[in-house]
Amino acid sequence: DTEVTQTPKHLVMGMTNKKSLKCEQHMGHRAMYWYKQKAKKPPELMFVYSYEKLSINESVPSRFSPECPNSSLLNLHLHALQPEDSALYLCASSQEGRAGVGFNEQFFGPGTRLTVL
Amino acid sequence: GEDVEQSLFLSVREGDSSVINCTYTDSSSTYLYWYKQEPGAGLQLLTYIFSNMDMKQDQRLTVLLNKKDKHLSLRIADTQTGDSAIYFCAESIMSGGSYIPTFGRGTSLIVHP
Repeated sequence: DTEVTQTPKHLVMGMTNKKSLKCEQHMGHRAMYWYKQKAKKPPELMFVYSYEKLSINESVPSRFSPECPNSSLLNLHLHALQPEDSALYLCASSQEGRAGVGFNEQFFGPGTRLTVL
Repeated sequence: GEDVEQSLFLSVREGDSSVINCTYTDSSSTYLYWYKQEPGAGLQLLTYIFSNMDMKQDQRLTVLLNKKDKHLSLRIADTQTGDSAIYFCAESIMSGGSYIPTFGRGTSLIVHP
């Protein structure tokens, strides 16, 4: 199994809603990532979990709350979002999250297309 | 994305070669990557090159690295309509103890029949 799966594929939510995005991998990877991608832009890193611990938070607003319940799962909890948060949210995983351990290919999921009304 | 520069569009005829260029800024980047993104999909790693290499060939793909000029290119031989996608160049930046790819803005490759 070399897939990263993400659910849901599409999500429409109001600014007062609370929702969650889910990501799963069964490749035994120990690093998982959340990226945000706006149309015609590159992915922007949001969070990195390494060995189930948050290792990088790229100054993301607190209305985005990541969670890594175990090494296979990564969630992104959403609350009180703004319309400008509408984007494609990509999850990725890699074998290692630490530098100096050689080539570290990231495997990306297909993304969740989020629309905030 | 502002540290990695790419042209935004490239249009080629089917069967021709495509060359996508990229410049990066961090001379300590250990790995440089090319990713492909098809419409509505996530990113797929196409190929990568280690910083002590000048060239890497993988079937129809050739990557050239000029470290002095911090220039990376991807050549796709015999380009097919299925190669139409956005191609992202990325350099690896160490952040928080991890190597994290920093992506360019992407080059939209359009292949005409």
